[in-house]
Amino acid sequence: EVQLVESGGGLVQPGGSLRLSCAASGFTFSRYWMSWVRQVPGKGLEWVANIREDGSNKYYVDSVKGRFTISRDNAENSLSLQMNSLRAEDTALYYCARDSGGPINWGQGTLVTVSS
Amino acid sequence: QSALTQPASVSGSPGQSITISCAGSSSDVGFYKYVSWHQQHPGKAPKLMIYEVSNRPSGVSNRFSGSKSGNTASLTISGLQADDEADYYCCSHTSSGVYVFGTGTKVTVL
Repeated sequence: EVQLVESGGGLVQPGGSLRLSCAASGFTFSRYWMSWVRQVPGKGLEWVANIREDGSNKYYVDSVKGRFTISRDNAENSLSLQMNSLRAEDTALYYCARDSGGPINWGQGTLVTVSS
Repeated sequence: QSALTQPASVSGSPGQSITISCAGSSSDVGFYKYVSWHQQHPGKAPKLMIYEVSNRPSGVSNRFSGSKSGNTASLTISGLQADDEADYYCCSHTSSGVYVFGTGTKVTVL
């Protein structure tokens, strides 16, 4: 069974940093692209970033370019999202997803709140 | 990277069929085959219902079907059931390599 477990969310001040992690199991992690998707409570889904199987290609939504960095550790079956220069509009539930032409499995999410 | 356009809400009676549209452009929905549909019940994580325009993952009811014509994709739910009441989102790969979601549709079972 595919399992994706996010962690690292919390309350952070504007301008601050946070690192999200996603522990993956139940599939061969190194054979799949992986994505981060976020959702403001009560609002729609927004794709944030994804990373190729070997980490050689990364894509980002325009609103996070230069501030967020996606990375992975295939030896540890782990996905990360380093978030810097956080803004109030980054407040959301962040989901980790296994990616194959789009998200195919989802984690339960970790909540990030950016507020002073 | 504008969100794909979906109707805000669609409703139907039990047993009826409904269709949700997802309008994009030649740079996303019309670009290739990577259009998916995701169901989300309140307070829950999304769940994949359709991938690559019209394919159902194992375990998803055959009451759910997907299609695409030009720059618009569609999700049809036949034999509507109470548990189908949820939010539905389309998602498409784009020519620039990023993904974009639809605005979301709330399905109500009357």
